[in-house]
Amino acid sequence: SQTIHQWPATLVQPVGSPLSLECTVEGTSNPNLYWYRQAAGRGLQLLFYSIGIDQISSEVPQNLSASRPQDRQFILSSKKLLLSDSGFYLCAWSKGLGDEQYFGPGTRLTVT
Amino acid sequence: ELKVEQNPLFLSMQEGKNYTIYCNYSTTSDRLYWYRQDPGKSLESLFVLLSNGAVKQEGRLMASLDTKARLSTLHITAAVHDLSATYFCAVDIQGGSEKLVFGKGTKLTVNP
Repeated sequence: SQTIHQWPATLVQPVGSPLSLECTVEGTSNPNLYWYRQAAGRGLQLLFYSIGIDQISSEVPQNLSASRPQDRQFILSSKKLLLSDSGFYLCAWSKGLGDEQYFGPGTRLTVT
Repeated sequence: ELKVEQNPLFLSMQEGKNYTIYCNYSTTSDRLYWYRQDPGKSLESLFVLLSNGAVKQEGRLMASLDTKARLSTLHITAAVHDLSATYFCAVDIQGGSEKLVFGKGTKLTVNP
């Protein structure tokens, strides 16, 4: 069966510090991968999605970036965090285009 | 651009009552998903609706899809406190897309 992992689970970082969030998927190959952000009490905002290694699309211009160095690994990064980057970051995967997405446990980021 | 609208966004109901959450979308699609999110947690898949007229039921929840009306409903029967959560619908653009478009979510509170 497939599983999706995210770490860390929680993170508190000062403004201006770098960020690296990691997501890995097990039990499937060539998944589509997604990064979402959810502000407190709000809906989901799609940040990035990837259909393959080094194939990443950005949905929202911002100071975040994403990389996919391996087939089942998706990384969200920032060089300098802003207060507005605080939120709940969710990674998801799907088998194919427009298919059901399966979500990881999430990372709660607080920028102070 | 595909828009997905859920209503109501907030719903407070008594245990034992019935209610329906609506998900309207703005363009043709024949794949729709319902998710549940408990406070502070990730999204959990509830229903996958893949064709016009599809109906799925799980316990006190029943979801249906009318692709001609571009409408899905999530019906709650005899609500119980454990159903308190936020419910999201998500729609795939017909013809396949790397991504789903999510509604803003309906926060359901079931009061004893």
